[in-house]
Amino acid sequence: DADVTQTPRNRITKTGKRIMLECSQTKGHDRMYWYRQDPGLGLRLIYYSFDVKDINKGEISDGYSVSRQAQAKFSLSLESAIPNQTALYFCATSDDLVAGYTFGSGTRLTVV
Amino acid sequence: QKEVEQNSGPLSVPEGAIASLNCTYSDRVSQSFFWYRQYSGKSPELIMSIYSNGDKEDGRFTAQLNKASQYVSLLIRDSQPSDSATYLCAVKRGNKLVFGAGTILRVKS
Repeated sequence: DADVTQTPRNRITKTGKRIMLECSQTKGHDRMYWYRQDPGLGLRLIYYSFDVKDINKGEISDGYSVSRQAQAKFSLSLESAIPNQTALYFCATSDDLVAGYTFGSGTRLTVV
Repeated sequence: QKEVEQNSGPLSVPEGAIASLNCTYSDRVSQSFFWYRQYSGKSPELIMSIYSNGDKEDGRFTAQLNKASQYVSLLIRDSQPSDSATYLCAVKRGNKLVFGAGTILRVKS
């Protein structure tokens, strides 16, 4: 099994719908991150968390919310999806950043 | 000015040549730097990390860091078609990584 698992792998949803992307990890890392990737823009940080009581906004948090249900689980929600949220979403984990991140396999989200 | 800048490419090199990928960063206090490789539609995977000025070698890969010039590079020797991918430069800022937009590398056989 993968160290960092994201579900679903692909999702098509309609404008205005609520959608949740899930991330779970077996690395035992405290730090978890959500990024989105758009062509030409690279990876941009949405939210990050260092434990279940610690949630921090990234550079593009508007329109998103997160929940850290346990050390191993970190979910990203789009309360009312819009087309410009169509992107590839990655969850990442880290111990102390000395070794960088471990990424999940990604969720390709399309909002129509 | 973006915090981490990379030439988007594509950079095309013939098989067996040296590919040179470059990255500049704006925060002078940055201390840790990472290179990731990303195949199309896949997740980024860590190739190298570097923290000190100078060169760090790992197999066919060499990372070079010059903090005075705020410049980090990745050299790939004996480039192979399987090296064709997008290469992401990342800089540690506080408790997170900031990524460049990536450079597309194409190795032609």
